Amino acid sequence: GEDVEQSLFLSVREGDSSVINCTYTDSSSTYLYWYKQEPGAGLQLLTYIFSNMDMKQDQRLTVLLNKKDKHLSLRIADTQTGDSAIYFCAERSNTDKLIFGTGTRLQVFP
Amino acid sequence: NAGVTQTPKFQVLKTGQSMTLQCAQDMNHNSMYWYRQDPGMGLRLIYYSASEGTTDKGEVPNGYNVSRLNKREFSLRLESAAPSQTSVYFCASSPPGSRYQETQYFGPGTRLLVL
Repeated sequence: GEDVEQSLFLSVREGDSSVINCTYTDSSSTYLYWYKQEPGAGLQLLTYIFSNMDMKQDQRLTVLLNKKDKHLSLRIADTQTGDSAIYFCAERSNTDKLIFGTGTRLQVFP
Repeated sequence: NAGVTQTPKFQVLKTGQSMTLQCAQDMNHNSMYWYRQDPGMGLRLIYYSASEGTTDKGEVPNGYNVSRLNKREFSLRLESAAPSQTSVYFCASSPPGSRYQETQYFGPGTRLLVL
């Protein structure tokens, strides 16, 4: 079945880069997404990548996709305290449903 | 646009009590979803509705019922709450299609505690 996995925690110093990793199992996924969840709030779409792309850059965010290994990563450059949140990767299944990972809690310390 | 709204924000229930979680969207989206979020488990789909008048089970439907009242509203009902249903519940909506823009938009969540 479809499964999406992430590490649970990441702690970085302010100003450093953060890299959040995700692995998925469904090779037919068309789109992969990164969502951000701030404390007490719902999920907000951060960025996405189409499955025929290797990389996408959007300001401080870089998404890398290794389709062969079914590995997705999100790099946040110059991480700020406001980036502290839970980050979810999600794949879009062939039934148009989203399959979410477990979420990675990013903590940024000064 | 308010986007996706959910009521209530918080609720405490005793085991065996019933309640309905309300969700509404004003984006004219066809599809609506109910998820639950538990620590270390990400979001799991409870039920979804691809269009007005249709509903389908997701990954964890047991103990829940849903109603797609009209295009705007999608409610989730717990008939007899159990402590295992303590969770944060999110409603989401999306327009039809498969382009990247047609992703899901989430409400702020309802925090439910069942004692």
